[in-house]
Amino acid sequence: GIQVEQSPPDLILQEGANSTLRCNFSDSVNNLQWFHQNPWGQLINLFYIPSGTKQNGRLSATTVATERYSLLYISSSQTTDSGVYFCAGDTGTASKLTFGTGTRLQVTL
Amino acid sequence: DAGITQSPRHKVTETGTPVTLRCHQTENHRYMYWYRQDPGHGLRLIHYSYGVKDTDKGEVSDGYSVSRSKTEDFLLTLESATSSQTSVYFCAITPGTGGNEQFFGPGTRLTVL
Repeated sequence: GIQVEQSPPDLILQEGANSTLRCNFSDSVNNLQWFHQNPWGQLINLFYIPSGTKQNGRLSATTVATERYSLLYISSSQTTDSGVYFCAGDTGTASKLTFGTGTRLQVTL
Repeated sequence: DAGITQSPRHKVTETGTPVTLRCHQTENHRYMYWYRQDPGHGLRLIHYSYGVKDTDKGEVSDGYSVSRSKTEDFLLTLESATSSQTSVYFCAITPGTGGNEQFFGPGTRLTVL
């Protein structure tokens, strides 16, 4: 199966700062998603982004499929952005996702 | 909201007992999945289903079985629970015919003593 590496593993930001999270894949993926797991454990879909760039408010994501990586940008971070960010992808049909181990983000006042 | 519920939400059980977790969806999605989440591992796929009575194994299927007798329900069974199966279990669905965005349920926290 594919390997998914996320960096950095941990990140502490002051409110208002910007950050970039990275996800590398060992093989080409058909599907690529970014999730936010909030402190209550809920997995929230951020982006479905097999290729290209998408933006949603203060968050944006870019996937360069040919180079097998994706970036998640968080601008003007807020305390509510705290939690763990996961990327995941699959290489075949049936959307069997392989997850990275996540980036734990803490945003402080 | 993808209309996914999981039950129970929390369970404590003893080693050797059988446990069944239920995932229920209201939208007639074809694909359903069970993942487990453990510290340091992210989420890992246990089993998935691509239709009624159609299931297949994932990365960490040993010790687990699944059943899907109707579209809306996907059951995960631990025949004889072990402490290594203490985890948070997530159900997920994919609305399309595969290759589409996946949505997750709220999770079930299982503790095996």
